Amino acid sequence: AQSVTQLGSHVSVSEGALVLLRCNYSSSVPPYLFWYVQYPNQGLQLLLKYTTGATLVKGINGFEAEFKKSETSFHLTKPSAHMSDAAEYFCAVSPPSDDYKLSFGAGTTVTVRA
Amino acid sequence: DTAVSQTPKYLVTQMGNDKSIKCEQNLGHDTMYWYKQDSKKFLKIMFSYNNKELIINETVPNRFSPKSPDKAHLNLHINSLELGDSAVYFCASSPRQGRNSPLHFGNGTRLTVT
Repeated sequence: AQSVTQLGSHVSVSEGALVLLRCNYSSSVPPYLFWYVQYPNQGLQLLLKYTTGATLVKGINGFEAEFKKSETSFHLTKPSAHMSDAAEYFCAVSPPSDDYKLSFGAGTTVTVRA
Repeated sequence: DTAVSQTPKYLVTQMGNDKSIKCEQNLGHDTMYWYKQDSKKFLKIMFSYNNKELIINETVPNRFSPKSPDKAHLNLHINSLELGDSAVYFCASSPRQGRNSPLHFGNGTRLTVT
């Protein structure tokens, strides 16, 4: 079964500092990969996705992620954190078996210090 | 202009009761889902419908019964509620079946069973 691991359940950064959220997946065949963000009391929103092609993917709100097959990783970064980036971030994988099941990681809570 | 809307937003009820959560999407999507988010924010798929046809039915107690009267609606009925059913339930939709189709989430229904 496909699985996704997010290292660090909680990340705290200063405003203006780099945000780095780690995601690793387990699969012998690269899955499709997604990052979603959940603001308090809201549903999840898609930040970005990787399917095929360019391994560096840009998303909304200045976020980007790089797919590294050799490391089975899809880490999310943003060069300069903003207070509005405080939220829960979920990495998700869609397996190559095309059974439409999206598997989510456990999530990483980001807090931004002024 | 809400894309995926769920009602109610909060639901507090006693053990043994039967309750329903409604979901509607106005995006013209073919596929709809129910996800359960537990107290540790872990997200797990419960059901998925494509054009009113059930395509994913995870290991969910048969007290949970989804119903899709048309492709814009997917309701969730829960019989004989238990304490362990307390969670946030998210409805989501996607343009079509397939692993490349991102999800659009509603804002969730927080169910508390006392």
